[in-house]
Amino acid sequence: QKEVEQDPGPLSVPEGAIVSLNCTYSNSAFQYFMWYRQYSRKGPELLMYTYSSGNKEDGRFTAQVDKSSKYISLFIRDSQPSDSATYLCAMSAISGGSNYKLTFGKGTLLTVNP
Amino acid sequence: KAGVTQTPRYLIKTRGQQVTLSCSPISGHRSVSWYQQTPGQGLQFLFEYFSETQRNKGNFPGRFSGRQFSNSRSEMNVSTLELGDSALYLCASKRAGSNTGELFFGEGSRLTVL
Repeated sequence: QKEVEQDPGPLSVPEGAIVSLNCTYSNSAFQYFMWYRQYSRKGPELLMYTYSSGNKEDGRFTAQVDKSSKYISLFIRDSQPSDSATYLCAMSAISGGSNYKLTFGKGTLLTVNP
Repeated sequence: KAGVTQTPRYLIKTRGQQVTLSCSPISGHRSVSWYQQTPGQGLQFLFEYFSETQRNKGNFPGRFSGRQFSNSRSEMNVSTLELGDSALYLCASKRAGSNTGELFFGEGSRLTVL
């Protein structure tokens, strides 16, 4: 079993839809949970991060972490064509001393159609 | 503030050749990580350097190597190229003292092996 599982999609939705992206993980040592967005031919950029369980909201984006279920989600409200990108979940745990190492999901390709 | 800079952006090599990729991290960032990204495997961790020392290493063969210089710039080298080495190679830097593991990515070097 891979440490982080993410449905690669592709996911296609109409403009204005609510999008739900999810990842599951197996390593209970993960403490920080992040979502990266990667546009075509670009490097990933950090969208949101949360620590431990709970919700975090930033504009149209909401990140949820359920550590008991080892399940994280990213919700996008009122989706826009500019949200079309690959979304990667990432998680970190301490790896030697105070060093945090990120483990990524494979990414979900999202297309928002006008 | 300049972001992470990778060169070259695109390159084509033939099997058996070697390649060197370069990365300049964000000013003040001393940690540099390298990832290989392919459609099938997603982002796979190659190695991380901090203060010119390799701190973490992924599960890649010895053909993949790297180094970091005193100014934090990093290079990675792949020798005896194989077709399967075709991928986007991403460099990422991390702020010193980061307690989240957040990475800042460059736009990548896209390698095609013929």
